Amino acid sequence: DVKVTQSSRYLVKRTGEKVFLECVQDMDHENMFWYRQDPGLGLRLIYFSYDVKMKEKGDIPEGYSVSREKKERFSLILESASTNQTSMYLCASSSAGQKLYEQYFGPGTRLTVT
Amino acid sequence: GNSVTQMEGPVTLSEEAFLTINCTYTATGYPSLFWYVQYPGEGLQLLLKATKADDKGSNKGFEATYRKETTSFHLEKGSVQVSDSAVYFCALSERNTPLVFGKGTRLSVIA
Repeated sequence: DVKVTQSSRYLVKRTGEKVFLECVQDMDHENMFWYRQDPGLGLRLIYFSYDVKMKEKGDIPEGYSVSREKKERFSLILESASTNQTSMYLCASSSAGQKLYEQYFGPGTRLTVT
Repeated sequence: GNSVTQMEGPVTLSEEAFLTINCTYTATGYPSLFWYVQYPGEGLQLLLKATKADDKGSNKGFEATYRKETTSFHLEKGSVQVSDSAVYFCALSERNTPLVFGKGTRLSVIA
């Protein structure tokens, strides 16, 4: 069974903390994505990666960075967490080429910044 | 840029009712169109897709037809069940670019 796992389902952090959200996929997918999901706004793409050590900005990269040192792992980093980064964060992966759109999602991490 | 607009929710239906969730899109070329579903407490999963005009995607009793003339991809199901309660997202992808999602429509089906 294909799987995308995220390190935590729920996370509470303080303003100004550095936050790491980890995502691991076991499908040998080339592409990995980070989204945030907010009520009334749907899913917005933060960053994505087509290959190891490669990254591309999505629609809302400000305040975030990413790291992809291994093919199966894609990390989202909040350098200095702020309350407006309280959200549900979803990781996804897909294979290269035609299957770029067929993304497999993790269960999400609900992050609260106080 | 590309965008997707879907009907505001929430939508509440009785079991066995007919479902339509409207979706329209704006794109510069010829996108592929998708419906994703998010069940409570889970991530999104691909429900169905259509890659060219007049294609019909179908899965689990849901259907959607790619209408280029009306730039639409409405989701339909003839008889909903309580287990269909979820959030439904319309999305597009053009020329192998990342998906662009609509804002989602929450469906609640009551017995």
